[in-house]
Amino acid sequence: GIQVEQSPPDLILQEGANSTLRCNFSDSVNNLQWFHQNPWGQLINLFYIPSGTKQNGLSATTVATERYSLLYISSSQTTDSGVYFCAVGTSGSRLTFGEGTQLTVNP
Amino acid sequence: ETGVTQSPTHLIKTRGQQVTLRCSSQSGHNTVSWYQQALGQGPQFIFQYYREEENGRGNFPPRFSGLQFPNYSSELNVNALELDDSALYLCASSSVDRGNSPLHFGNGTRLTVT
Repeated sequence: GIQVEQSPPDLILQEGANSTLRCNFSDSVNNLQWFHQNPWGQLINLFYIPSGTKQNGLSATTVATERYSLLYISSSQTTDSGVYFCAVGTSGSRLTFGEGTQLTVNP
Repeated sequence: ETGVTQSPTHLIKTRGQQVTLRCSSQSGHNTVSWYQQALGQGPQFIFQYYREEENGRGNFPPRFSGLQFPNYSSELNVNALELDDSALYLCASSSVDRGNSPLHFGNGTRLTVT
């Protein structure tokens, strides 16, 4: 099956800082989503590639031919803390998730 | 637009028991899928239902089963619970009639097996 690797596994930022999260995947996909999971476990859609690449200080870019996606966080806020997941799929609603990046934004 | 809702939010069961988790799809969605998320890991695909039939399954044993109803709501049933079944169970809905479409997740049911 498809392998998904996310980096870094953990990231600590000072409020206002910028950073980039990376997602590598092992095969061609036609569905890629970025999620934010808050401390209560709620999994929130951020981006669905191919549509939607920028919102509220976040932006994403995917290079399908090289099998990676990047999530850019600009002007980070404490409310951005949580786990960020990349998930990919080839058909239907079967997504393969990475292990996530644990982000902590300190005030 | 009503989002994906799951019930109950928390559940404690004893090893060997059976459990049923419920999910109501987002309005306009006809496909539901279930995921298991163990502590510290990413969600893992259990199975998907479309038109009331299982339509794709991950690496989970047959004691994990499901149903989809005509109104697109769904149940996940787990028999003979094991300690390792303790996890957050997430339901997601989407609409395959629009081709690939993003998944929308519910808030999950946190199951503890003792």
